[in-house]
Amino acid sequence: NAGVTQTPKFRVLKTGQSMTLLCAQDMNHEYMYWYRQDPGMGLRLIHYSVGEGTTAKGEVPDGYNVSRLKKQNFLLGLESAAPSQTSVYFCASSYSSDTQYFGPGTRLTVL
Amino acid sequence: QKEVEQDPGPLSVPEGAIVSLNCTYSNSAFQYFMWYRQYSRKGPELLMYTYSSGNKEDGRFTAQVDKSSKYISLFIRDSQPSDSATYLCARGYGGATNKLIFGTGTLLAVQP
Repeated sequence: NAGVTQTPKFRVLKTGQSMTLLCAQDMNHEYMYWYRQDPGMGLRLIHYSVGEGTTAKGEVPDGYNVSRLKKQNFLLGLESAAPSQTSVYFCASSYSSDTQYFGPGTRLTVL
Repeated sequence: QKEVEQDPGPLSVPEGAIVSLNCTYSNSAFQYFMWYRQYSRKGPELLMYTYSSGNKEDGRFTAQVDKSSKYISLFIRDSQPSDSATYLCARGYGGATNKLIFGTGTLLAVQP
């Protein structure tokens, strides 16, 4: 099993550009999450999903959209990137309340 | 006040030392507690999980929860250079969303 994978690993965008981050898990998990990690701020939840076809806002959802069309995939979109969205983005998945499994992260820089 | 408070460090100790990492939380609704370890440029990985007050031991690691004081700790015995990482505490609400609230993390360096 590959666990949780994220694509791409690195990306540089210009202000106003759009992009989509892909998260895939092969553990048949119902729950999936997108976090951002910034120095001194810890991991903050952007959006999450409790099952295929569902999404919900987390702590810092503004400027992001998500979709969960297939159970194994959770997409995070930036429609018009801003420098404040420069961060490391982590996807996670879980089956129940005991463990969230994290991907390796995507380092995004917005110039 | 943040829901989860954690000293960011950095904390530097010699190899073999006992390490104590601590978190406090403000919301008594939290039902379970976790410690994650994150190596540089990697994703977090679960170290310990507990939902009750008291101690839970796993090898060199012990997680301690004091719900009355809203305080959780992670102890690392016989610390090794390979323990050098950022340690994140997390609290969970449980229920239908399974959301976690993370502390900011403590950077630990174990010197050989």
